[in-house]
Amino acid sequence: AQSVAQPEDQVNVAEGNPLTVKCTYSVSGNPYLFWYVQYPNRGLQFLLKYITGDNLVKGSYGFEAEFNKSQTSFHLKKPSALVSDSALYFCAVRDSRGKLIFGQGTTLQVKP
Amino acid sequence: DTEVTQTPKHLVMGMTNKKSLKCEQHMGHRAMYWYKQKAKKPPELMFVYSYEKLSINESVPSRFSPECPNSSLLNLHLHALQPEDSALYLCASSQGLVRKMAGNTIYFGEGSWLTVV
Repeated sequence: AQSVAQPEDQVNVAEGNPLTVKCTYSVSGNPYLFWYVQYPNRGLQFLLKYITGDNLVKGSYGFEAEFNKSQTSFHLKKPSALVSDSALYFCAVRDSRGKLIFGQGTTLQVKP
Repeated sequence: DTEVTQTPKHLVMGMTNKKSLKCEQHMGHRAMYWYKQKAKKPPELMFVYSYEKLSINESVPSRFSPECPNSSLLNLHLHALQPEDSALYLCASSQGLVRKMAGNTIYFGEGSWLTVV
């Protein structure tokens, strides 16, 4: 069965510092991995995805993610955090039926 | 901004009421989804329509009834709900559920906040 894990419930960083939100996955076959962000009282916004090809994926709002097959990880990164990046982040994997399987989410808190 | 539009944004209904949530997308997508989300939790899949046919029902109680009138519209009819059904209901869409297109992105709307009293 496909699954993803986000080991941190919350990540705290200072504005201007680099941020990492961790995600590990367990899939059979090729993984289709996604990151979504949810701002308070809003829907989910797509950030980026890995399907195949380059292990470093660039997405919206300056975010990027690195696919690491040997470590089965897909960590979300940003070189310089903004207070406005504070939100709930979900990692997800898409199974063969097309269903998105989400991690439990990580709350990112960026402090001024 | 999302191109998946949901109405209403907020809905309060009694346990004996009948109401509907509506969703519309204009991206030419042929798969549409309903998700339920509780606060601070990941969304839970309820239904998937592919090419206007129901393709996935995640064992959702019959008090939730989906309808896909055409490829751009998706409704969720609500009847005799319970207070525990109060949640954010998210509609989403993507290109059709062809197996090799599993990498297609699913785009979400802003959601409808439902409160059952």
